[in-house]
Amino acid sequence: NAGVMQNPRHLVRRRGQEARLRCSPVKGHSHVYWYRQLPEEGLKFMVYLQKENIIDESGMPKERFSAEFPKEGPSILRIQQVVRGDSAAYFCASSPAAGNEKLFFGSGTQLSVL
Amino acid sequence: QKEVEQNSGPLSVPEGAIASLNCTYSDRVSQSFFWYRQYSGKSPELIMSIYSNGDKEDGRFTAQLNKASQYVSLLIRDSQPSDSATYLCAVADGGYQKVTFGTGTKLQVIP
Repeated sequence: NAGVMQNPRHLVRRRGQEARLRCSPVKGHSHVYWYRQLPEEGLKFMVYLQKENIIDESGMPKERFSAEFPKEGPSILRIQQVVRGDSAAYFCASSPAAGNEKLFFGSGTQLSVL
Repeated sequence: QKEVEQNSGPLSVPEGAIASLNCTYSDRVSQSFFWYRQYSGKSPELIMSIYSNGDKEDGRFTAQLNKASQYVSLLIRDSQPSDSATYLCAVADGGYQKVTFGTGTKLQVIP
């Protein structure tokens, strides 16, 4: 009975490199959310996706950041040309359907940019 | 910009006491309200949800909602050291249900 799986758990990148964060939702869940959390801060909404569709990306920077949730495979959050300010914990959450806001969180990916 | 406000704390209570955590929200059309607990270095976990005005009890936890005042609270009775964590208030609107989180209140239960 696997929950939300995120990998890698820790990711170290140098400035200018690309970071790819993966999220496999709970089996049967078709809704995925990505949040970013800085130390001592709350969760900042980034993007909400359903299978093959981006529903709301209002929290995601317009440049360098992109997200997808393909028909097959995990959801991917991609950060191009990373900068030190991108260092944070990135959490993925899933829910079974629209109208069900109970979110199941993954363990997060801690991104460190050197 | 929809906002969810919480006092960052830390809130310190002695073991066995009642811990009271508060949250206000700005969007009047918000429909659903949640409390998540997050231990240091861990992911958030849902502990309470509430959708209508009044109180909702689950074990040692009671969530209270007042939509007129745009206020939601969480009471933890008989607080235990294991309750020490950051408590995140979360609010979802009535549309496609984007969930917005507050910054969290850090609770410390002193043995």
